[in-house]
Amino acid sequence: RKEVEQDPGPFNVPEGATVAFNCTYSNSASQSFFWYRQDCRKEPKLLMSVYSSGNEDGRFTAQLNRASQYISLLIRDSKLSDSATYLCVVKEGLGAGNNRKLIWGLGTSLAVNP
Amino acid sequence: EPEVTQTPSHQVTQMGQEVILRCVPISNHLYFYWYRQILGQKVEFLVSFYNNEISEKSEIFDDRFSVERPDGSNFTLKIRSTKLEDSAMYFCASSEWDLSKYNEQFFGPGTRLTVL
Repeated sequence: RKEVEQDPGPFNVPEGATVAFNCTYSNSASQSFFWYRQDCRKEPKLLMSVYSSGNEDGRFTAQLNRASQYISLLIRDSKLSDSATYLCVVKEGLGAGNNRKLIWGLGTSLAVNP
Repeated sequence: EPEVTQTPSHQVTQMGQEVILRCVPISNHLYFYWYRQILGQKVEFLVSFYNNEISEKSEIFDDRFSVERPDGSNFTLKIRSTKLEDSAMYFCASSEWDLSKYNEQFFGPGTRLTVL
């Protein structure tokens, strides 16, 4: 089983649509979770961390289900500028968590169309 | 806003040659990382570095790879005897001292390495 698994898409949606991305992770000891955004041939950039209770940042909502080892990202009222690849990322381990490697999904491609 | 910088943006080399990829992490950060991304594939962890030593490395980071922090600002990745399969985008990242498990790693723009 892949460590972090995502539906690669592509998702093609019209402007204003709501779109949801899902991700599963294999290591139940994983401690922190993130969604990164990557534009074509650019570096990944942190979109949001995913907290146990779920969290929202404007049009973006992230959810975590530890029992199912499942993470989701919901984008409401999608904009043309949301077109990118969305990467599900997991960090394992505790303690000096700074130094822990990030484990990446392949990413889900989103194209928002006018 | 502080940012991680990387040079060169694109490096072309012949198979078997040595390359050095350079990174300048954010100045007050203490943890440094290299990741790579082969075209069309996922981002993969290579190595983490703290307090002038390697903290963790992946199986990709074999004995052809080395990292160094030669001064207070640069962080380098050296690849000896390059292979065709080393062709990828190499990202440097850094993070600050923060006990939060959500401590963010900030990424540089990457160096595209092409091995011919």
